[in-house]
Amino acid sequence: SAVISQKPSRDICQRGTSLTIQCQVDSQVTMMFWYRQQPGQSLTLIATANQGSEATYESGFVIDKFPISRPNLTFSTLTVSNMSPEDSSIYLCSVVLGKDNYGYTFGSGTRLTVV
Amino acid sequence: KNQVEQSPQSLIILEGKNCTLQCNYTVSPFSNLRWYKQDTGRGPVSLTIMTFSENTKSNGRYTATLDADTKQSSLHITASQLSDSASYICVVSASGGYQKVTFGTGTKLQVIP
Repeated sequence: SAVISQKPSRDICQRGTSLTIQCQVDSQVTMMFWYRQQPGQSLTLIATANQGSEATYESGFVIDKFPISRPNLTFSTLTVSNMSPEDSSIYLCSVVLGKDNYGYTFGSGTRLTVV
Repeated sequence: KNQVEQSPQSLIILEGKNCTLQCNYTVSPFSNLRWYKQDTGRGPVSLTIMTFSENTKSNGRYTATLDADTKQSSLHITASQLSDSASYICVVSASGGYQKVTFGTGTKLQVIP
């Protein structure tokens, strides 16, 4: 299984500012994803981070609000831009090892509070 | 529409007791089902993974069952400990693509002394 380091683990930010979350994997992985988990809710897929090309965003999420970088097969960043209190959530990166969604591993999460 | 429903939504049990969490799904075509444990404010950690051909899998005090015919799964926790207090999430994957993953809303378990 992969080991994922995600940072920061938590942050409190002022509205209108931006926060960049980093996700580092200890091995090369093809598929990396970013999820959001709002309080009391299940996980929602934000986007698939594609190495060397633009991320693929799910309905309701746009690149201007959640720009993603994936410079190589072990690293990705998610930026939450122009934050508002509604962005307060846990943000998680995840990777898939192998085919058919086996070995679906999550990072430890970033707990974001926007004030 | 693919859906995963979990019950109960929340549960309080005494330390040392057993409990069973339920997961019903309508995901098709089915690939695999996973149970995760998520501590408050942390990322989910995988407990078990089961494919269509597997009907039970254990991980220490955690035992998951799968009935692919009725599309039901359960997670049984034996001799609960205070550290078992967490949310337990059932996640079902469909064949055909990495993104075809459906999350349940979880069962919040609290183990009290």
